[in-house]
Amino acid sequence: NAGVTQTPKFQVLKTGQSMTLQCAQDMNHEYMSWYRQDPGMGLRLIHYSVGAGITDQGEVPNGYNVSRSTTEDFPLRLLSAAPSQTSVYFCASRDISGSDTQYFGPGTRLTVL
Amino acid sequence: TQLLEQSPQFLSIQEGENLTVYCNSSSVFSSLQWYRQEPGEGPVLLVTVVTGGEVKKLKRLTFQFGDARKDSSLHITAAQPGDTGLYLCAGASGTASKLTFGTGTRLQVTL
Repeated sequence: NAGVTQTPKFQVLKTGQSMTLQCAQDMNHEYMSWYRQDPGMGLRLIHYSVGAGITDQGEVPNGYNVSRSTTEDFPLRLLSAAPSQTSVYFCASRDISGSDTQYFGPGTRLTVL
Repeated sequence: TQLLEQSPQFLSIQEGENLTVYCNSSSVFSSLQWYRQEPGEGPVLLVTVVTGGEVKKLKRLTFQFGDARKDSSLHITAAQPGDTGLYLCAGASGTASKLTFGTGTRLQVTL
């Protein structure tokens, strides 16, 4: 199993550009989520999904969209990037009915100029 | 918004020393998790505590959940350089078990 994979590893955007951060998991987990990590603030939940076709907002959803068309994939879209979205983004998944272990991807470091 | 405050924010100690990291909140959580994160990687789960007053040991690491399920501590005995990393606590609540992460404690253990 590859676990949770994220692409790209690094990305630099200009203000106003759009992009999609990819996340995939091969563990058949129902629950997937996106976090951003900023210095001194821990990880903050952006959006999450409890299954295909179901998404909900987390703590800091503004400026981000998500969709969950399959169990495996949970892309995060930035519609119009802003410097405040410079951060490290982590995708995570867990088995919602079993173990409480949440598996994180390696992260995407995004810089918005 | 639930907040989890961790202290200290930074800790630099020598190999063999003991240390304790604290995770405090005014909110009650159904469970609390501790993660360790190394540079360039995602957090990795160390332990989950569920019951108020629960104590779990993982080799040289001892985790405790407060009686009121609002706070937790991580104690490391005889720290080693391999313990170096960012330690994060995270409280779970709600039907979807959403996690609220603490602010993190960056630990450096030197020889």
